[in-house]
Amino acid sequence: RKEVEQDPGPFNVPEGATVAFNCTYSNSASQSFFWYRQDCRKEPKLLMSVYSSGNEDGRFTAQLNRASQYISLLIRDSKLSDSATYLCVVNYGAGSYQLTFGKGTKLSVIP
Amino acid sequence: NAGVTQTPKFRILKIGQSMTLQCTQDMNHNYMYWYRQDPGMGLKLIYYSVGAGITDKGEVPNGYNVSRSTTEDFPLRLELAAPSQTSVYFCASSPARASYNEQFFGPGTRLTVL
Repeated sequence: RKEVEQDPGPFNVPEGATVAFNCTYSNSASQSFFWYRQDCRKEPKLLMSVYSSGNEDGRFTAQLNRASQYISLLIRDSKLSDSATYLCVVNYGAGSYQLTFGKGTKLSVIP
Repeated sequence: NAGVTQTPKFRILKIGQSMTLQCTQDMNHNYMYWYRQDPGMGLKLIYYSVGAGITDKGEVPNGYNVSRSTTEDFPLRLELAAPSQTSVYFCASSPARASYNEQFFGPGTRLTVL
C-alpha cells in the first residue's frame, strides 16, 4: 500500500513564528512531490512543488530527502492568513497518473 | 475564466437513490479527475480521464461511474447511493499528467446519504 504520512497536528503558533511540517512517503519510485493548501471547507490549491534541490517561494521553503523518503515545508514569519490545512502530495511512481494525498496538517496562526 | 465548476454544492440523498455530480472546466485541460474526501482523511481518487472518450478507475471506483464525451465535461454518476458514499467530492483538471503538473480543483459537492 502506498502511503503518505504527515504530522497529525494541529499546530497552533503565534504570528511571526516559524513552523515546520514533515511528511514521509512509502513508495521509493515516487517522482513528483507537492504541498497543497486547503482552507476550511474549500478546495485544495497548489502551494508549491518540491524539487530535489529544495526550493523557496517567499516565506515558504520545501525540502526533499529521497534517501529517507521525507519531505518538509518550512513557513517563516507566519501570518494569520497562513491558517489552513497543508496537504503533502506524492505521485505513485514514474508514469503514474495517480497522486497520493496525506491527511493534512492543520495550522492555526494566533494573533 | 471560471476554472473548474461543480454542481450541485450540496445534496442529501436517500439510500438507494441515484444522482449525477456535474463537473465542467473551461481551461481546455485534457486530464480530469474525481476525488472524494472523508473527514480527517486524504483525498482518494475515484476515476480519471486523459481525454474525451477515455476514462479509467482510480483507487476507490466501486459504486461510481463516469463518462467523458467532451473535453469540458466529466460527470460522476452515483448508482444506488449508500451511507458510505457520504463525503465531499472534488473534481479537478490538469493540462497534462497530474504527477507532473498542478491540478486545479472545483469547489466541491457535499453529499450526505441518509
